[in-house]
Amino acid sequence: DTAVSQTPKYLVTQMGNDKSIKCEQNLGHDTMYWYKQDSKKFLKIMFSYNNKELIINETVPNRFSPKSPDKAHLNLHINSLELGDSAVYFCASSQVYRGGSVFGKNIQYFGAGTRLSVL
Amino acid sequence: KQEVTQIPAALSVPEGENLVLNCSFTDSAIYNLQWFRQDPGKGLTSLLLIQSSQREQTSGRLNASLDKSSGRSTLYIAASQPGDSATYLCAVSTGANNLFFGTGTRLTVIP
Repeated sequence: DTAVSQTPKYLVTQMGNDKSIKCEQNLGHDTMYWYKQDSKKFLKIMFSYNNKELIINETVPNRFSPKSPDKAHLNLHINSLELGDSAVYFCASSQVYRGGSVFGKNIQYFGAGTRLSVL
Repeated sequence: KQEVTQIPAALSVPEGENLVLNCSFTDSAIYNLQWFRQDPGKGLTSLLLIQSSQREQTSGRLNASLDKSSGRSTLYIAASQPGDSATYLCAVSTGANNLFFGTGTRLTVIP
């Protein structure tokens, strides 16, 4: 069974369109993330949600809106797509432990990625 | 702000050779460091996680070391195989909910 699954795997769309990418994890984790991997293969965190609550929102245009209906899902909605949005988007999840050195055990599990191409 | 650098960017070795991948980070206040593997068109697979209090972790032919004070980590791969060909990424965590990634080292093991 796939632990972290994203759909679709590929997404080709025109500039100006609105699109969504879905992510689901069946690991029972509390925290989910969205990352963007650009053409130079650099991975950068976009958002982090813990128990449906936004924890991290890096410098991301407000055209990007994450939605977490429950702690097993974190969907990414993108409005008015631009050419520069073309990238691979990865979803991840982890079980964040509270307190002390246990933070060190925060292993993130990644989905297979969604390759978005904006034409 | 944390910056993670990996060298070399690409590496080709003949099968059977031992190799070392390097990772450096600018802020030593980390919780842990992870090494990931990324295959073309696929997601990331976590290989090893070293907590800030640890100096190394081993898994099979892989050994990762961490020198937090100098901001360095190495991933040692013994007896490399063609199946090891992939991009290897290191990432450091400075909090409960983030990871800062390096740009990766693309490894090719030649049969």
